[in-house]
Amino acid sequence: DGGITQSPKYLFRKEGQNVTLSCEQNLNHDAMYWYRQDPGQGLRLIYYSQIVNDFQKGDIAEGYSVSREKKESFPLTVTSAQKNPTAFYLCASSITGLPETQYFGPGTRLLVL
Amino acid sequence: SQQGEEDPQALSIQEGENATMNCSYKTSINNLQWYRQNSGRGLVHLILIRSNEREKHSGRLRVTLDTSKKSSSLLITASRAADTASYFCATDLLNSGGSNYKLTFGKGTLLTVNP
Repeated sequence: DGGITQSPKYLFRKEGQNVTLSCEQNLNHDAMYWYRQDPGQGLRLIYYSQIVNDFQKGDIAEGYSVSREKKESFPLTVTSAQKNPTAFYLCASSITGLPETQYFGPGTRLLVL
Repeated sequence: SQQGEEDPQALSIQEGENATMNCSYKTSINNLQWYRQNSGRGLVHLILIRSNEREKHSGRLRVTLDTSKKSSSLLITASRAADTASYFCATDLLNSGGSNYKLTFGKGTLLTVNP
């Protein structure tokens, strides 16, 4: 899992609640990514950031929000607008935004109560 | 739709046998990568092959790329029980603006290596 940490490992969300998933990296990477993984599916990109204070929507950004105030941190908020949030969320980073190796965290499993 | 699609969806073999997984994609790429994921864990990068390369080796891994057929294969030789995992291919995909970058992952092949 390299130098990327995600917390918590499991997260429970109540109806109408916003929850925030943490992602921290000490690899000094410029780019960071958030993916969602559903059972039997590949990874789908939610948001990515190539540099501090800048981020772009991925393929499934609706119902999610992010911030990139520090190079090391890229938190993801799952808002109440996301009607089907149950999934495995993976954070990744890469040295730059160019097509190269991405390093993944251990993931957070989000469940709805 | 997914850029990369792995085949087969699941593969079960005995320890010591070779395992071959395939990935097909739809549009031209710059690079193709293979990742491994143990159950409930994050992905681990295995190998990257560039569009101008045809074959690459890393330990017991051999990756081939055929850009004319838009396909790649991952061969794991002399498999071990510890190789049991899901394997994903990922292709780069430039946004229309040309300045942004993202990887597109397939759905993966679940490999089970029986002791």
